[in-house]
Amino acid sequence: GIQVEQSPPDLILQEGANSTLRCNFSDSVNNLQWFHQNPWGQLINLFYIPSGTKQNGRLSATTVATERYSLLYISSSQTTDSGVYFCAVLQTGANNLFFGTGTRLTVIP
Amino acid sequence: GAGVSQSPRYKVTKRGQDVTLRCDPISSHATLYWYQQALGQGPEFLTYFNYEAQPDKSGLPSDRFSAERPEGSISTLTIQRTEQRDSAMYRCASSLGTDSPLHFGNGTRLTVT
Repeated sequence: GIQVEQSPPDLILQEGANSTLRCNFSDSVNNLQWFHQNPWGQLINLFYIPSGTKQNGRLSATTVATERYSLLYISSSQTTDSGVYFCAVLQTGANNLFFGTGTRLTVIP
Repeated sequence: GAGVSQSPRYKVTKRGQDVTLRCDPISSHATLYWYQQALGQGPEFLTYFNYEAQPDKSGLPSDRFSAERPEGSISTLTIQRTEQRDSAMYRCASSLGTDSPLHFGNGTRLTVT
């Protein structure tokens, strides 16, 4: 099956700092989505991004499907950004999203 | 509804009991998924529905697990003869289609003692 690797596994930031999270995948995909699992356990869809770049406030994402990776940028981080960020891919021919192992982000004030 | 709703939020049960978890998806969404998430891991696919049809249940870990969506809206996930290894967060999600943004409910945390 497809492999989805996220890096780094853990990240600690000072409030106000910027960060880049990476997602590598091993096979062709139809779409890719980024999720944020907050400290209360809610899993929030951040981006649906099969290719190209999207921005939403302080967050942006870029997917280069031909090179099998996606990046999530967080600028001017806030403590509310803490949690686990998951990348999930829909492999070509599949019907369900396959999740990576996540990046745990801690933003300290 | 406005979002995906799951109940109960928490469930503690004794080993060997049956449990049923409920999911009420976003009303316009044809596709409904069930995922299992162990502590410290990403969600893992269990099964999905397209309206009332269940095209894929390959992720169900054993025949003790079953799911239904009889009228193409609300879905239930039933675990029979629960075991301690079934303890996990069970997440329901819905989308317009299999290649659409996925929206999750808050999950049901199941603890089997």
